[in-house]
Amino acid sequence: SAVISQKPSRDICQRGTSLTIQCQVDSQVTMMFWYRQQPGQSLTLIATANQGSEATYESGFVIDKFPISRPNLTFSTLTVSNMSPEDSSIYLCSVGKANTEAFFGQGTRLTVV
Amino acid sequence: QQQVKQSPQSLIVQKGGISIINCAYENTAFDYFPWYQQFPGKGPALLIAIRPDVSEKKEGRFTISFNKSAKQFSLHIMDSQPGDSATYFCAARRDDKIIFGKGTRLHILP
Repeated sequence: SAVISQKPSRDICQRGTSLTIQCQVDSQVTMMFWYRQQPGQSLTLIATANQGSEATYESGFVIDKFPISRPNLTFSTLTVSNMSPEDSSIYLCSVGKANTEAFFGQGTRLTVV
Repeated sequence: QQQVKQSPQSLIVQKGGISIINCAYENTAFDYFPWYQQFPGKGPALLIAIRPDVSEKKEGRFTISFNKSAKQFSLHIMDSQPGDSATYFCAARRDDKIIFGKGTRLHILP
């Protein structure tokens, strides 16, 4: 298994500002992903965080809005840029190793006012 | 297009009863089918998972039944307890990406 730490656990932000969420894993992992879970909804994959190269975004998500960094095999950040109330969600980091289960952090609960 | 369809959306079961949640998929490239349990304010936690070459997997009170030809799989919770009350997500994996169903809110009556 993997222990995933996400910071911050929650935040309330003003619209138009940006928030950077950090994800730290206790061991090196091949794959890191970022998900969004809107209130009462399922999880939607935002992007795959690639170590040493640009993230791979899913349909409907763009780098300008959700820039992602992954400087090494244990750490990644997701920035939610120019926030609006519609960005209020739980943002979750997930990690996986090839052919093993995926593990999730506790998430960052973001409220945009 | 929803790749993993889950039903029901919500479920109420008496304590001691059997909870059954169903999922269906279209993409035959999926190679791994996990179920996640999520409590309010927490991230989803892996509950049980199955690969498509297996028809059933049991872990304690939790059983996955998998029908490859019908492209359907289900979660059975035997002897359901109030502590099982949570949201359950079925999922499917392809290319190391997990695609989630919409979730089922399960409530076990005491």
